[in-house]
Parts: sequence; C-alpha cells; structure tokens
Amino acid sequence: GQNIDQPTEMTATEGAIVQINCTYQTSGFNGLFWYQQHAGEAPTFLSYNVLDGLEEKGRFSSFLSRSKGYSYLLLKELQMKDSASYLCAVRDRGSQGNLIFGKGTKLSVKP
Amino acid sequence: KAGVTQTPRYLIKTRGQQVTLSCSPISGHRSVSWYQQTPGQGLQFLFEYFSETQRNKGNFPGRFSGRQFSNSRSEMNVSTLELGDSALYLCASSLSSRDYEQYFGPGTRLTVT
Repeated sequence: GQNIDQPTEMTATEGAIVQINCTYQTSGFNGLFWYQQHAGEAPTFLSYNVLDGLEEKGRFSSFLSRSKGYSYLLLKELQMKDSASYLCAVRDRGSQGNLIFGKGTKLSVKP
Repeated sequence: KAGVTQTPRYLIKTRGQQVTLSCSPISGHRSVSWYQQTPGQGLQFLFEYFSETQRNKGNFPGRFSGRQFSNSRSEMNVSTLELGDSALYLCASSLSSRDYEQYFGPGTRLTVT
C-alpha cells in the first residue's frame, strides 16, 4: 500500500533549527516534494528531491534517502512566519506522476 | 504571470445536489490536477488532466468526474453530494504531467449541509 508518515505537530523557538521527518512506503518512487501551507491558503512548493542527498535552498534544506524511504526538511533561523503546515509528498512512478501526500506537520514557532 | 484561479471560492450545497468547480491554470500549463483536502485525510489526489485527456484517477467514487477544455481550463463535477464531500478542493497546474513543480490555486471551500 501507499503510506507516508510525518509527525502531526511540532513546536520550535524563533531563531532555532527544526527538522521535520517523513517516511514513505509507496509502490513506486519518482521524487519527493515538500510543500508549505499556511492556514487557509494553498500549498506552495518548497523543494524536490529525486536523488539521495541534501538539497539546500536558503534557510530550507531537504534530505532524501531512497534506500531508507526517508526524508527530512530542515528549517534554519526560524521566523514567526514559518508557522505553517509542512506537507511531504511522493510522486508514484506507477501512477504517471500522481502526488501522494502525507497528512502534514503543523509547525508552531514561538517567540 | 497570473496564478492558478479557482471559482467559486466558497460554495454551500445540500445533500443530493450536484456541483461544478472550475480551475484556470497558469498560462502555458497543460496539466491540471485536482485534490480534495480534509482535516482527517489530508490532501488526496482526485484526477489529472493533460491535453483534454484524463491521465490518472485517484480512489474516489464515480460521483466525482472532471474534464479539461482545449484552453487547458478544467472543471470537476460532484453529483449526488454527501455530507462527507465537504472539503477544500484544490487544483494545481504544471507545464506537463512530468514537471516536478505544481502550482496550487486558492481552492474552493465546499460545504454540504
């Protein structure tokens, strides 16, 4: 079956670093995505990993290990505006590009 | 460049009715995917259209259907509405079905009473 797991909620302090983990079991794999979704808004694309390793983009980095079915999103120098839900999604090769989403991690950044 | 637009933004319907939602993708994008988002299930894939053809379909009943027009605009229809269909319906567009970056619209909030 298809399964993507990520913590439901996390809390962190402004200025700190937080790591949001995602594990997946899917019938195929053709890339892993992270999206940010603020309450009441549409998801916005953050990162894409298809090969093992770390992808860095400003304060955000995403890591992938295909052999372990594991990814994480690392947020540095946290800001209050980073309070949002973070969605992990896997593109299932067998589905010609369907995105299978986890239920999201709600991150609260405290002063 | 204008983003993905969805109409209407909010909708209230009663059980048994049907509803049609519209999505206009970013200019030049030919792939449109539809998702249902609920607090309990998160984001779930409904279907994807590319060049007026349905490329893929998620695990939703046949009451959920869609289509895409020659200008890439897409509509989804839900017939015989049930209370459980209350959700945020999001569409996302991309250049092609293989493009890794999808751009989401603001969604249509459907409430079924």
